[in-house]
Amino acid sequence: QSALTQPASVSGSPGQSITISCTGTSSDVGGYNSVSWYQQHPGKAPKLMIYDVSKRPSGVSNRFSGSKSGNTASLTISGFQAEDEADYYCSSYTSSITYVFGTGTKVTVL
Amino acid sequence: QLQLQESGPGLVKPSETLSLTCTVSGGSISSSNYHWGWIRQPPGKGLEWIGTIYYSGNTYYNPSLKSRVTIFVDTSKNQFSLKLSSVTAADTAVYYCARYSSGYLDYWGQGTLVTVSS
Repeated sequence: QSALTQPASVSGSPGQSITISCTGTSSDVGGYNSVSWYQQHPGKAPKLMIYDVSKRPSGVSNRFSGSKSGNTASLTISGFQAEDEADYYCSSYTSSITYVFGTGTKVTVL
Repeated sequence: QLQLQESGPGLVKPSETLSLTCTVSGGSISSSNYHWGWIRQPPGKGLEWIGTIYYSGNTYYNPSLKSRVTIFVDTSKNQFSLKLSSVTAADTAVYYCARYSSGYLDYWGQGTLVTVSS
């Protein structure tokens, strides 16, 4: 199975909105609503930020939102803050009853 | 609060078998509401899904690793384990265990670095 495609890096200024895309196929992202997003700071375990395409776990800031159109899912960070600087990964369930991660996006502050 | 903790050797020789255990505390590994997975991350690289074990005992593995991977559960110890055979330097990574709640990973272990080297 191939990794989902994400941009390698995205930068944003404080207060700005940034969006990270996650492109798969009809056998994963496009076929299921089991798309999730994870934030990872250096040396730390990933943290769940969005699940089921657009749901936010308790305790996650409402500045984070998710959506999906066709085979592409997106994570948007509104009101970007320095603490949001991290690596972000998407993940999807697949038709093979497996899971696949995205290639990862490094988000940095301008 | 659910906690997961990986344990096992930090150094494995090439061609040998990597064995890791994940101990779950604060919840039962036998719950039908969840399934359990292993994920790895080579140094400086992205996350790679290794495989998952369900309440039923069914297992599903990454096709690229399927011939070398086994995941199994020990309900009496509230643990699940990973075995990866015939390892090479390419298997050097931080290995994470985690819980799947439906289709997403809601709890992760802290990760353990396994280095493959002679």
